[in-house]
Amino acid sequence: DAGITQSPRHKVTETGTPVTLRCHQTENHRYMYWYRQDPGHGLRLIHYSYGVKDTDKGEVSDGYSVSRSKTEDFLLTLESATSSQTSVYFCAIRPGGGVYGYTFGSGTRLTVV
Amino acid sequence: TQLLEQSPQFLSIQEGENLTVYCNSSSVFSSLQWYRQEPGEGPVLLVTVVTGGEVKKLKRLTFQFGDARKDSSLHITAAQPGDTGLYLCAGANTGNQFYFGTGTSLTVIP
Repeated sequence: DAGITQSPRHKVTETGTPVTLRCHQTENHRYMYWYRQDPGHGLRLIHYSYGVKDTDKGEVSDGYSVSRSKTEDFLLTLESATSSQTSVYFCAIRPGGGVYGYTFGSGTRLTVV
Repeated sequence: TQLLEQSPQFLSIQEGENLTVYCNSSSVFSSLQWYRQEPGEGPVLLVTVVTGGEVKKLKRLTFQFGDARKDSSLHITAAQPGDTGLYLCAGANTGNQFYFGTGTSLTVIP
């Protein structure tokens, strides 16, 4: 589905540089999330948003910041990339809370060298 | 905090066999979801279960939520190569935030 897209799909960056990942949705969903997926850890929540300019931290938020200036866009910034942030990053959307399921993007594979 | 344990971690079976994967926790969940993820893609929602003891069927897949809402199982009948993927469970706490398990990687050999 083209309802949620992530960019870039792959990125290699150097330690200490800032990196921004973009998530764009066309579903007008209220909730947007950033997860990282690592072997042995599953999907872990970094930050989420429940509306424009309304964001909150997840369980692994250190070293990351987010912004949501429009309903359709949710940006994840690694302020100063470290090798421990090498991972696959997924954006997800939900129309509401409760039992609604997540729709995930295709992911961004980030390598920090 | 990893609240959900999935087993087995890896499973390789022949086409046509049956299998069950498990999702266990010491926490009570208000609801639980199952996802399937294929290589290079994001997880895709298969089902949501809400009531303790609930059973849902999706073609050859049967999902069950434990009576105490602490565990769940996914049973696949007559597995096919198209079932290959990573199966993830995710449980919601009272705040409606979902926690994901580490997944079961299933390979179905033709």
